[in-house]
Amino acid sequence: KNQVEQSPQSLIILEGKNCTLQCNYTVSPFSNLRWYKQDTGRGPVSLTIMTFSENTKSNGRYTATLDADTKQSSLHITASQLSDSASYICVVSGNSGYSTLTFGKGTMLLVSP
Amino acid sequence: NAGVTQTPKFQVLKTGQSMTLQCAQDMNHNSMYWYRQDPGMGLRLIYYSASEGTTDKGEVPNGYNVSRLNKREFSLRLESAAPSQTSVYFCASSGGQGYGYTFGSGTRLTVV
Repeated sequence: KNQVEQSPQSLIILEGKNCTLQCNYTVSPFSNLRWYKQDTGRGPVSLTIMTFSENTKSNGRYTATLDADTKQSSLHITASQLSDSASYICVVSGNSGYSTLTFGKGTMLLVSP
Repeated sequence: NAGVTQTPKFQVLKTGQSMTLQCAQDMNHNSMYWYRQDPGMGLRLIYYSASEGTTDKGEVPNGYNVSRLNKREFSLRLESAAPSQTSVYFCASSGGQGYGYTFGSGTRLTVV
């Protein structure tokens, strides 16, 4: 069964500090991996999309990495801001049709002043 | 701003009532999706429409129906609401398989 596991479940960091969120997946066959940010009461917003051949992709202070061999990804947030407080969701896409997105449960990040 | 618009934002239903959740996108995307999000779970696909004129079941379709009215609009209908359908519902659209998804801001539905 396709699964996406994220860790930690929740995290509290001080403003200005860095943090790294983890994502392990068992989705096969693999097409791409996405990271989304979901603010409370809002829909998810895409941060990055990486295909099998991409090891790293950045979007401002967000940097995602992908190791397709070990089926692991990470999202690194640099110099955190209060507005980074949100849930971060890892989503893995298979390549066998439109319905093959598998969502992780998310990591809830709280950035404290 | 371009994006996905969902209505209503909040709704309370009594068990057995029916309602339709509306979704519209203005990005000329071919594919549209309905998800539900429950506490402690990842988003789960209810139905999707790969292109205008087609709809298919997702992971949790029971108790729901959909209509792809045109390229812009994709509605989700609950014919006889049940407490188990209490959830936050998200509509999304994409340019096609392998493209990023744009999500609406969600409909918070409570069935009592």
